[in-house]
Formats: sequence, C-alpha cells, structure tokens
Amino acid sequence: AQTVTQSQPEMSVQEAETVTLSCTYDTSENNYYLFWYKQPPSRQMILVIRQEAYKQQNATENRFSVNFQKAAKSFSLKISDSQLGDTAMYFCAFYSGGSNYKLTFGKGTLLTVNP
Amino acid sequence: NAGVTQTPKFQVLKTGQSMTLQCAQDMNHNSMYWYRQDPGMGLRLIYYSASEGTTDKGEVPNGYNVSRLNKREFSLRLESAAPSQTSVYFCASSEVYGGGTEAFFGQGTRLTVV
Repeated sequence: AQTVTQSQPEMSVQEAETVTLSCTYDTSENNYYLFWYKQPPSRQMILVIRQEAYKQQNATENRFSVNFQKAAKSFSLKISDSQLGDTAMYFCAFYSGGSNYKLTFGKGTLLTVNP
Repeated sequence: NAGVTQTPKFQVLKTGQSMTLQCAQDMNHNSMYWYRQDPGMGLRLIYYSASEGTTDKGEVPNGYNVSRLNKREFSLRLESAAPSQTSVYFCASSEVYGGGTEAFFGQGTRLTVV
C-alpha cells in the first residue's frame, strides 16, 4: 500500500523569503503521479503543482517548484518569494493508476507566512 | 462550470441517526472519492470508485456505505452516526485513464454528531 509522509506539521516563513516543505512516499509502483495541494482557510482544495514520475525534470509553476528524487522517494515543495496569501495547509498526494487508482494524501503541513 | 457539487455544506446529527451526503460532478470523470479530514490526520480515504459500477474501500470505511449511482453521482451514507464521525467530508473526482489528472474537490461538508 502506498503511504505519504509529511514530517513537518507546521512551518513559518517571513514574507518574501523561501521555504521548503518535505514529503516522502512509499510505493512499489514505477509509474505514478505526485501532487501538492493547498488548502487555505476557505477549506477549498487547490492544486499547486504536479509531477509525473517518468519525467526527470522537476515541475515548476511560477513561484512554486518541486525537488523530485525518485530513488529516494522524496518530493519536496519550494515556495519562493513567499506571500501572505500562501498561508495555508499544504498536502502532498500520491496517485497510481497501475493497481488501484487510489489518491493518497499526507497529513499536511500548516504554513504561516509572517509579514 | 460547477465542477464538483457536494451537499449539504453543514449538518448536525444525533447519535444513531442516518444521513446521506450527496456528490455530483459534471466533468465526465471516471474516478470519484470520499475523504474525511480531521485535525492532524490529513485527508483519509473512506471509499472510492475508479469507474461507474465499481466501489472500493479506502483507509477508514467502517461505519460508511457508498453508492455510485451513475457516472456523475457518488453518495456516502452514514447508517448510524457516531460522535467519532464528526469531521469535514470531501468528495473529489478525477480522470483515471491517461492517469494523473488533478483531482477536483467539492466545498466540503462539516458534519457534527452529538
């Protein structure tokens, strides 16, 4: 069974600085997809970034980028030039269509951006 | 474009009462999911349906039942609510084939069992 681990329950960062959120996962699959979702206080789940495991190049979306280390089963999210609106819960998620089509989430990291 | 519509948004139940949470998506997705979110626990998968006509248990299925009524709709039923089922419930949908499209979420249902 796939598991997703986020080892940082809470983090804080100063506005305009850079922060990295960690995520590790465990799977025996070779083809899979990884995601970072953001959940602001509104409770809405918003996709931040996604990574296909077969792609070696790390995904980037504006100020958000990932460091994907397939061998280490690590998938960290880097937020550059942090903004107050980045304050939210961030969830790492794993999906594999190979065996069971489950979408599995980690426990989340609460990120606070301070002015 | 409605996306994923989940009803109700809030509900208070007494212990032992039953209720059904409704979820519908208009994106023609094959996969649908029900999660519960509790503080410090993240999103835990209750049940999912990879395609119309199939349902499977997730991590925490006890006390719940689901119905994939058609491709659009996936309902979650609590037969006899317990205080431990107090939580925020999310429905989500995604496309399976082609793999890895993002999951779209409903707005969530805050359920309190007293």
